Amino acid sequence: DGGITQSPKYLFRKEGQNVTLSCEQNLNHDAMYWYRQDPGQGLRLIYYSQIVNDFQKGDIAEGYSVSREKKESFPLTVTSAQKNPTAFYLCASTPRGTGGQVEHFGDGTRLSIL
Amino acid sequence: AQKITQTQPGMFVQEKEAVTLDCTYDTSDQSYGLFWYKQPSSGEMIFLIYQGSYDEQNATEGRYSLNFQKARKSANLVISASQLGDSAMYFCAMREGLITGGGNKLTFGTGTQLKVEL
Repeated sequence: DGGITQSPKYLFRKEGQNVTLSCEQNLNHDAMYWYRQDPGQGLRLIYYSQIVNDFQKGDIAEGYSVSREKKESFPLTVTSAQKNPTAFYLCASTPRGTGGQVEHFGDGTRLSIL
Repeated sequence: AQKITQTQPGMFVQEKEAVTLDCTYDTSDQSYGLFWYKQPSSGEMIFLIYQGSYDEQNATEGRYSLNFQKARKSANLVISASQLGDSAMYFCAMREGLITGGGNKLTFGTGTQLKVEL
């Protein structure tokens, strides 16, 4: 079955450490997104990419970096510059369309500071 | 200004009753889409229903319907015959400036926590 795979499910980061969250999709979708969700809050967009080798900052990009070298993959790196990284991170993708296309989500990664 | 506003942080409903979750939005675009997602405690995001700004009829999907009032900029979700499994967080979201090619981002509200009781 097609879908989005995020790994790991749980991740712990030490102070000053960079960590990378994986997101892989086999839906042949063009666009991919990273969201951050804090407890009791909605989703906020970190980065998104509409095509390979191109990506744009979302609303809260500071302290994060991404790459899009392959259509299927959109990894997110949480750098040491992100001072409050503890959150639930969701990756999503959409096909090309006229705007009504549904975003498909992965199951998320929970990141905590040690 | 908030683009998506959900004013009900929490709601309770009795099993088999209907419940309405409120959502208002703010956009100057003429072409946009509105979405509702369900997030159980496990964390995954489940798509429920979509309404396009040019759709003349309110969207329906099984027990879910969207009460779309364009002039009031509201897109309330109605769940009929609530079930215990409906207990979850519900998010309203909007995609503005609909274009071909895909990729326009979603803006989410802060959500409504729904609890269905016996």
